[in-house]
Amino acid sequence: DTGVSQNPRHKITKRGQNVTFRCDPISEHNRLYWYRQTLGQGPEFLTYFQNEAQLEKSRLLSDRFSAERPKGSFSTLEIQRTEQGDSAMYLCASSYQRGYLENEQFFGPGTRLTVL
Amino acid sequence: EDQVTQSPEALRLQEGESSSLNCSYTVSGLRGLFWYRQDPGKGPEFLFTLYSAGEEKEKERLKATLTKKESFLHITAPKPEDSATYLCAVAHMDTGRRALTFGSGTRLQVQP
Repeated sequence: DTGVSQNPRHKITKRGQNVTFRCDPISEHNRLYWYRQTLGQGPEFLTYFQNEAQLEKSRLLSDRFSAERPKGSFSTLEIQRTEQGDSAMYLCASSYQRGYLENEQFFGPGTRLTVL
Repeated sequence: EDQVTQSPEALRLQEGESSSLNCSYTVSGLRGLFWYRQDPGKGPEFLFTLYSAGEEKEKERLKATLTKKESFLHITAPKPEDSATYLCAVAHMDTGRRALTFGSGTRLQVQP
């Protein structure tokens, strides 16, 4: 399977605990994105990487959130001191960017986070 | 103010009953408009990319079109397996952002 993969698929945690999600993008893609999606809404942008550089972060990404993409390969998204409002589907996407026009992003299956 | 608005929020069709979904956007400097399909509990699945007004893309029973202010996803003779949420997203330079701005989607249900 050469698509975007995410692990774990589901995570249940207690409020105040830290969680970490992993995303493995399509191998030749140079851009990796994280989004968050709540029920009935479209995905909301969190952050993105061009290769290993984190180039943009949304205002949604509070200090409790951190993302890394070491060596421009897989990426991790960590949420510290989770809150019930963090409960959502966390989606990873990747794309190959080669010009001014934006190319399509391919999404993974998502990680469903439930904070009790 | 919403930059991407999709209508209707929900649509119920009979099998074979053609219809259109609308995506209107207020951004400037459009760098791409994208349509995705999303099944419950899954990630969005890419359908089409449109860049210029007048452009059209087609795939099986789906056809996407683009004007300067909106895009339509036309569904011809839909089948129950077309039931899903259809998301529209734009890439733009209004704020210098590179990521996609999504609408809230249209939930389509096709009844046999």
